[in-house]
Amino acid sequence: AQSVTQLGSHVSVSEGALVLLRCNYSSSVPPYLFWYVQYPNQGLQLLLKYTTGATLVKGINGFEAEFKKSETSFHLTKPSAHMSDAAEYFCAVREAGAQKLVFGQGTRLTINP
Amino acid sequence: ETGVTQSPTHLIKTRGQQVTLRCSSQSGHNTVSWYQQALGQGPQFIFQYYREEENGRGNFPPRFSGLQFPNYSSELNVNALELDDSALYLCASSPQTAGGGVNSPLHFGNGTRLTVT
Repeated sequence: AQSVTQLGSHVSVSEGALVLLRCNYSSSVPPYLFWYVQYPNQGLQLLLKYTTGATLVKGINGFEAEFKKSETSFHLTKPSAHMSDAAEYFCAVREAGAQKLVFGQGTRLTINP
Repeated sequence: ETGVTQSPTHLIKTRGQQVTLRCSSQSGHNTVSWYQQALGQGPQFIFQYYREEENGRGNFPPRFSGLQFPNYSSELNVNALELDDSALYLCASSPQTAGGGVNSPLHFGNGTRLTVT
């Protein structure tokens, strides 16, 4: 069965600092991996995805993530945090042939001025 | 292009009542999925519809049911509401094919916040 673990329910960084949000997954087959962002009172917006090919994936708003099969990880990074990055971030996995996305519990990112 | 739209945005119901939530999929998308997001949790998969038939279901009881219409819009129906059904219900659409197209990302609506008292 698939599962996703996001380490740290709350991460706080200063504006301009590195953002690192951690995600580990378990899957019996090669997974497809996603990061979504959720702003207050809104739905989920896709930041980036990994399906096949290059393991370093670039997304919107300056975010990127690296798929590391040996570590079963898909951590999300951004070199320099901006106040507008404050939101809830969800890592998700989907196995090939499966319909559903399995989400982690989410990480709330706070940016300090 | 028009994104995924959901209605209503907020809803308050009493325990034991029934509720219907509506979703219009993004233009060109033929598959609709529903997710339940309890407060402080990640979304959980309820079910998916493709070509007006349910083709995947999560761990939700039968009182959660759905429909998909020929224009790909969808409804989520919940009978005999319980207090724990209070959550944000998210609809997502994708341009999947019968074979799966499983790397197609989901496009989410802003959700319907249901409160059961």
